[in-house]
Amino acid sequence: GQNIDQPTEMTATEGAIVQINCTYQTSGFNGLFWYQQHAGEAPTFLSYNVLDGLEEKGRFSSFLSRSKGYSYLLLKELQMKDSASYLCAVRDQGGSYIPTFGRGTSLIVHP
Amino acid sequence: NAGVTQTPKFRILKIGQSMTLQCTQDMNHNYMYWYRQDPGMGLKLIYYSVGAGITDKGEVPNGYNVSRSTTEDFPLRLELAAPSQTSVYFCASVEDTGYTFGSGTRLTVV
Repeated sequence: GQNIDQPTEMTATEGAIVQINCTYQTSGFNGLFWYQQHAGEAPTFLSYNVLDGLEEKGRFSSFLSRSKGYSYLLLKELQMKDSASYLCAVRDQGGSYIPTFGRGTSLIVHP
Repeated sequence: NAGVTQTPKFRILKIGQSMTLQCTQDMNHNYMYWYRQDPGMGLKLIYYSVGAGITDKGEVPNGYNVSRSTTEDFPLRLELAAPSQTSVYFCASVEDTGYTFGSGTRLTVV
């Protein structure tokens, strides 16, 4: 099974940088995902890491360390529209591609 | 290309009523999932399917049933609605790394 832990809530200032951490324990690992979810909407895909290291995509970057069971999502040049919940999800090695989601981190960006 | 389409968007049910949440995808994905999301909680897997004719239970299957007669459709059935099933339901499909979610169904059981 999977156990995924991420902070419940974070606040940051517009224009700043914020790092959202995710730790996991898993019996098998086949990739880690980050999703963004605005209130009342469906989750949307942000990033996918399967190998160690940093993946950069515009203002968002995601890092993975498989040996430490650790990932973070880095958001730069924060904008008000970045206020949302950020979900960390881990996929196991089974053939069903099932991701297990953490509870999500609610990020509040204030002026 | 519509992606994943869920209907209805909102529904209020009385205790004991039944209903079907519809999910359709036009991406020819084999893998499809039903999740429920409660306030402050992550997405919990209800049922999943790895292809037409194949379904399996997830973490919280009690009170629900599914079928997968075609690749496109993966409906979720509630037979005897209970207040504990008040939640937001999301359907998703995947091709390799590309998970796509439907817009969700907000269900209230009173």
